[in-house]
This record gives sequence, C-alpha cells and structure tokens, in this order.
Amino acid sequence: AQSVSQHNHHVILSEAASLELGCNYSYGGTVNLFWYVQYPGQHLQLLLKYFSGDPLVKGIKGFEAEFIKSKFSFNLRKPSVQWSDTAEYFCAVTPRYGGSQGNLIFGKGTKLSVKP
Amino acid sequence: NAGVTQTPKFQVLKTGQSMTLQCAQDMNHNSMYWYRQDPGMGLRLIYYSASEGTTDKGEVPNGYNVSRLNKREFSLRLESAAPSQTSVYFCASSEVLEQYFGPGTRLTVT
Repeated sequence: AQSVSQHNHHVILSEAASLELGCNYSYGGTVNLFWYVQYPGQHLQLLLKYFSGDPLVKGIKGFEAEFIKSKFSFNLRKPSVQWSDTAEYFCAVTPRYGGSQGNLIFGKGTKLSVKP
Repeated sequence: NAGVTQTPKFQVLKTGQSMTLQCAQDMNHNSMYWYRQDPGMGLRLIYYSASEGTTDKGEVPNGYNVSRLNKREFSLRLESAAPSQTSVYFCASSEVLEQYFGPGTRLTVT
C-alpha cells in the first residue's frame, strides 16, 4: 500500500534558522508530489508541487523542495524561516496514472514552531 | 469566486444523532473529496467522487455515506454519530490533480 512518512512530528526553530522537513513515500510507480501548509485555524493551502521536469521546485513564500527519485524523497526547505511560518506542513503523494490517480495520500504532518 | 465552501463550521452532536455536512465548489471541478483530520494522523480520505454521478470509498469510509448531488455539491452524512467521529472534516475539489480545500467543519460527538 502507498504511504507517506514525515520524519519529524514537531520542529522548533528560531527566526532566521534554516529549515528542512523530511518526506519519504512508498509507491512503486510514478507519482506526483505536494507540500501543503495549514496555518493555525485555517484550511490547507498548496505550498508547492512536483509533476515532472526539474526536480528542484520552488513554491510560495520562499519554500522549495527537491525530488530525489532514488531515495523516494521530497524534502521541503527554506533558507531562513520567519515567525509567520509557524504552521503544520503536510507532504502528500498521488499516483500519476491508474484508478486512484488524483487521490492524495498524506503524511501525518510536521508542526513547525518558529520562535521570534 | 468563493472556491470550496463548507457548512456548518462547527457542530456538536450527541451519540446516535445524524447530520449532513455540506460542501460546494464553484470552480467547475469534476472531482470532489471528503477527508477527516485527527491530531497526529494527517488527513485521511473518507469518500471521493471522480465525477458527477459516481462515488467511491476511501481509506476510512465506515460510518459515513455521501451524495454527489450535482457537479457543484458533495455532501457527507453521518447516520448515527459516534465519539470516534469527533474530528475536523475537510472537503476538497480538483480538476487536474491539484486539490483545493474548504475551510473545514469541526465536529464533536459527545
């Protein structure tokens, strides 16, 4: 069965620190990859996505993620976090082809707390 | 353009009561989804509808039913609520793989 693992449950950083959140997935076929962000009390918003092409993708608010196919990984990075990045971050995958195409499989999420 | 809307925002039910969560999208998307979000569990798919007139079970369908009323609307029904269904419920819609989420319904079953 497909699954997504996010390595860190809760990450606490000071402002201006660099961020890397790990995401690994388990699926034998071709996938599309996503990172979503959920700010406190709000709904999920798309941060960035990877479908094909350059494995380094840039998203909103200075976030980027790198797809490493050999490692089944799609880690999220930001060089310098701000207090406003405090949120929960979800990695998600979906098969690119087949009957369950479009059905997102989510990781359990990583809470990021940024201290001012 | 409201995107995906959900009603109600909050609801408290007693065990055994029934209710319907409503979801509507104005983006003319074919696919719609219902998820539940529980602490430490991420989002889990309850049901989805790939197009008007079709619905399929997701990862955690037990205790729920859905109706795809038309292209815009996708409702989730709890026939006999249980405390294990206390959760935040999100509806989403998509056209080409990218999903757009509604604001959620926080449901408490006592």
